[in-house]
Amino acid sequence: GDSVTQMEGPVTLSEEAFLTINCTYTATGYPSLFWYVQYPGEGLQLLLKATKADDKGSNKGFEATYRKETTSFHLEKGSVQVSDSAVYFCALLKAAGNKLTFGGGTRVLVKP
Amino acid sequence: DAGVIQSPRHEVTEMGQEVTLRCKPISGHNSLFWYRQTMMRGLELLIYFNNNVPIDDSGMPEDRFSAKMPNASFSTLKIQPSEPRDSAVYFCASSFSGRGTGELFFGEGSRLTVL
Repeated sequence: GDSVTQMEGPVTLSEEAFLTINCTYTATGYPSLFWYVQYPGEGLQLLLKATKADDKGSNKGFEATYRKETTSFHLEKGSVQVSDSAVYFCALLKAAGNKLTFGGGTRVLVKP
Repeated sequence: DAGVIQSPRHEVTEMGQEVTLRCKPISGHNSLFWYRQTMMRGLELLIYFNNNVPIDDSGMPEDRFSAKMPNASFSTLKIQPSEPRDSAVYFCASSFSGRGTGELFFGEGSRLTVL
């Protein structure tokens, strides 16, 4: 079946450091890929997405590129802020599907 | 526009009691999802509805759990009888499946504690 694997957290880093969260997936066909973010005490919200190979999703300084050859969708940010402290979820959606498959989430803590 | 509205935000109850969680999806959305989040198991999909019809309830833990969607603007998740292992944050999310965008809109969650 479909699955999404993320690096386990927590990831602790200092403000202005570079952030990478690895995400790989297993799925047949050509799924769409997503990153969701969950701030403390809140529900998940969409951060960025990519719908086909080589697409790059970006938002709030975060970027991720859909790499079909490596079945990956790694999240990156060049300079993190304390406000980026959150749990990040990678997810996939099969074409014509309606149900997201989420990874286990990666907690990120940014210290001033 | 109002987002997905869940109630109650917090519930503390004793083992054996009935718990009802409520959700109002975003107006115009036709898919609704119930998730459970715990430290141990992460985010789990319990059930989802499309056009008020349950499509996949394979994630519902056991017969103690039931979910209904009597109309497009309201859904409930009921646990009867509740057990301490049901303690978790329960999220409701909605989307418009026709677009196939995959963007779910989550509520703020209902934190359940069963003593």
